[in-house]
Amino acid sequence: NAGVMQNPRHLVRRRGQEARLRCSPMKGHSHVYWYRQLPEEGLKFMVYLQKENIIDESGMPKERFSAEFPKEGPSILRIQQVVRGDSAAYFCASSPVVRGQGRTDTQYFGPGTRLTVL
Amino acid sequence: DQQVKQNSPSLSVQEGRISILNCDYTNSMFDYFLWYKKYPAEGPTFLISISSIKDKNEDGRFTVFLNKSAKHLSLHIVPSQPGDSAVYFCAASASYAGNNRKLIWGLGTSLAVNP
Repeated sequence: NAGVMQNPRHLVRRRGQEARLRCSPMKGHSHVYWYRQLPEEGLKFMVYLQKENIIDESGMPKERFSAEFPKEGPSILRIQQVVRGDSAAYFCASSPVVRGQGRTDTQYFGPGTRLTVL
Repeated sequence: DQQVKQNSPSLSVQEGRISILNCDYTNSMFDYFLWYKKYPAEGPTFLISISSIKDKNEDGRFTVFLNKSAKHLSLHIVPSQPGDSAVYFCAASASYAGNNRKLIWGLGTSLAVNP
């Protein structure tokens, strides 16, 4: 029963390049969340997606950042034209589908992708 | 506007003693609360949760207490062990948000358990 998978674990990009971060949720989970943790700071929510839908992107920077969770395949967080300030750890989490009256807001996290922009 | 607050950035306790981590929230609509533990260079790990219909939930050495009138919850770790040294995050969600099950996070408390 694999947990949340993220790849790559480490990513180095030069300023102006694109960064693509991948997240495969736990089996049976159809909700994905992306977070960013800057050095010496807490977790910052970025975006919440369900299959083929963006539910909440209130934490996403207005420019250069985008996210998708297609019907097939992993969720992708894309950062275009990276800048040094994008250097951070990016975490993905997933949660299961809620059935009936139950609420399961527990999120399970992947190991993160550490992005370094040179 | 920090809706979930962990006012102590750090805490240090002796091995074997009790660790008490505190969390306050401002949104009275929050009805589900969670604690996560995070080691350096790893993703957060779910520890324990509590629904607002309860005031206590226990799992082994970990107990979470919820005081809704004070909008306060705490995580007790008894007895504390050196392996418990990590950053602990408090998070909350609200069912009124319907389909949006985003968690609202505190900034974390760094716990150091000294041998």
